[in-house]
Amino acid sequence: TQLLEQSPQFLSIQEGENLTVYCNSSSVFSSLQWYRQEPGEGPVLLVTVVTGGEVKKLKRLTFQFGDARKDSSLHITAAQPGDTGLYLCAGALDGSARQLTFGSGTQLTVLP
Amino acid sequence: GAGVSQTPSNKVTEKGKYVELRCDPISGHTALYWYRQSLGQGPEFLIYFQGTGAADDSGLPNDRFFAVRPEGSVSTLKIQRTERGDSAVYLCASSLGGRGADTQYFGPGTRLTVL
Repeated sequence: TQLLEQSPQFLSIQEGENLTVYCNSSSVFSSLQWYRQEPGEGPVLLVTVVTGGEVKKLKRLTFQFGDARKDSSLHITAAQPGDTGLYLCAGALDGSARQLTFGSGTQLTVLP
Repeated sequence: GAGVSQTPSNKVTEKGKYVELRCDPISGHTALYWYRQSLGQGPEFLIYFQGTGAADDSGLPNDRFFAVRPEGSVSTLKIQRTERGDSAVYLCASSLGGRGADTQYFGPGTRLTVL
């Protein structure tokens, strides 16, 4: 059983469209991180959210941590082909964030 | 500066054989992590080192898996009597390892295929 459920599993959209990816759990996390992974490479950290209700923006990407710290979302505005990749959320159950629990990922393809 | 490096990038072996996977962390990082990523899944935590000692090995699936970090830098993940189900990408990450949460930087992984 996956502790963190991500949806959708696959997403294919046209350049310029907006999209939202979800990460849900029944567990409360001390912090939650979003990564992007490209083929043949390891995940690269995009953002860490630690406070319930927190919203962080990174250019066209907006990340939100749920009030109860059990869920998170990633919204991309005006997607570009360079946004293509596997988006992973990862939660830490304690403050040290040493042991991360990853979701199964959302494979995003942005078509030109 | 140099990131986390892992060797080999690909390893093909036969069922029952022994394999070693190597990880070179970022210089100065005291914490080192191993994860396993199966096809279509997110990484799964295996073990975490702080310095030379394994601070948390709760993710190792069974006693065929063992990892060492004898000098607090390079780490080797060892798998005995490999099984087809061990086929996956093995990712290594390192972090500064200080108090509180710190960012894990991942290497490119070693793709292990057990025939």
